[in-house]
Formats: sequence, C-alpha cells, structure tokens
Amino acid sequence: AQTVTQSQPEMSVQEAETVTLSCTYDTSESDYYLFWYKQPPSRQMILVIRQEAYKQQNATENRFSVNFQKAAKSFSLKISDSQLGDAAMYFCALSYGGSQGNLIFGKGTKLSVKP
Amino acid sequence: NAGVTQTPKFRILKIGQSMTLQCTQDMNHNYMYWYRQDPGMGLKLIYYSVGAGITDKGEVPNGYNVSRSTTEDFPLRLELAAPSQTSVYFCASSYSRTGGKYTEAFFGQGTRLTVV
Repeated sequence: AQTVTQSQPEMSVQEAETVTLSCTYDTSESDYYLFWYKQPPSRQMILVIRQEAYKQQNATENRFSVNFQKAAKSFSLKISDSQLGDAAMYFCALSYGGSQGNLIFGKGTKLSVKP
Repeated sequence: NAGVTQTPKFRILKIGQSMTLQCTQDMNHNYMYWYRQDPGMGLKLIYYSVGAGITDKGEVPNGYNVSRSTTEDFPLRLELAAPSQTSVYFCASSYSRTGGKYTEAFFGQGTRLTVV
C-alpha cells in the first residue's frame, strides 16, 4: 500500500518569511513522482512543484523548493519570501501506476500568511 | 484553452436520486480521472481511464459508474445517491506514454454535491 502523511494540519508564517511544510510517504515502487499541490479557497488544484524519484537534485520553482530525502521517504516544501497569495491548503501527493494522475494525497496543511 | 471543464459547479440531490457529473478536456490527454474530496481530507481516486473504452476502479469506486466513449469526455454517474456521497468532486486529465512524453494532472474546478 502507498501512503502519504502530512503531520502539520495548520501552519502560519509572517509575510516575507520562510516556511517549511512536511510530508512523508511510503511506497514499494522504485519509479514514482512526488508533488505539492496548492488549493486556494477557489477550490482549484494548482501544481506547485514536482519531483521525479530517480532525480537526486531537489526541484525548485521560483520561491518554492523541495527537500527530497529518498532514503527517509521525506518530501518537504519550502516557501521563501512568503506572500499573502500563498495562503491556501497545500497537499503532498504521490503518483503510481505509470501515470502522473493516479495520485495518493495527504490530508493537507492549511497555510496562513500574516501581513 | 479551456483545459478541464466540469459541470455543474454545485448540485443538491435528494437521497435515492441519480445524476451525472460531466467532464470534458480539450488537451487530447489519454488519461482521465475522477476524485472526491471530503472535508479535511485530501482527494481520493474514484475511477480512472487510460483511453477511450477503457476504465478502471480507483480507491473508492462504490456507488459510482463511469464511461469513456471519446477521448474528450469522462462522465461520472451516481446511482441512488446517499448522504455519504456528499463531497466535492474533481475531474482531471493527464498525458502518459510509456518511455516518452508525459504531463502532470490538470484539474477541473470541482463540483460541490450535497445529498439530503
């Protein structure tokens, strides 16, 4: 069975500061992808960043970066220079079955950004 | 581009009624998916399809049916609606080709369904 665990139901960060969201996962697959999705109040699921398991280099997308620890099965998201628009639910997800859309999601972390 | 389009955006059903949630995508993606999101939870896969005429069960398929007659459309049918099916439903699509090009999943904006 494949699982994704997000242990922080809620997090808060001051505008312009840095915050890290945690995620651990379990899978028996050797080839998989990991994702962070953002869900603002509009409900839209927005892909923030993607990591391919066979790549050792951590993925980065502008202010968003990940710390991928394959042996520890850990996949944390770092948001630098936090902005008010970053406030949302953040979901960690693992894909399986040869498709990037067959996803196992964590329960999410609600991020608040204080001005 | 419209991407993934779901209709309706909101719906209230009475217990025992049936309905179809519509989903269409214009990106020529071969894979399509239906997820449900319950309060305080992440999304869970209901059904998916790897191409026209091919569907398969996901994690929570009971109470639902799907069909995929075209590449673009992937409707989700609820028969005999129950309160446990109150949820937000997301359709998504992606492209996947063994050993070749692939994309991440693109999501529709969701349908909020309440069964009373």
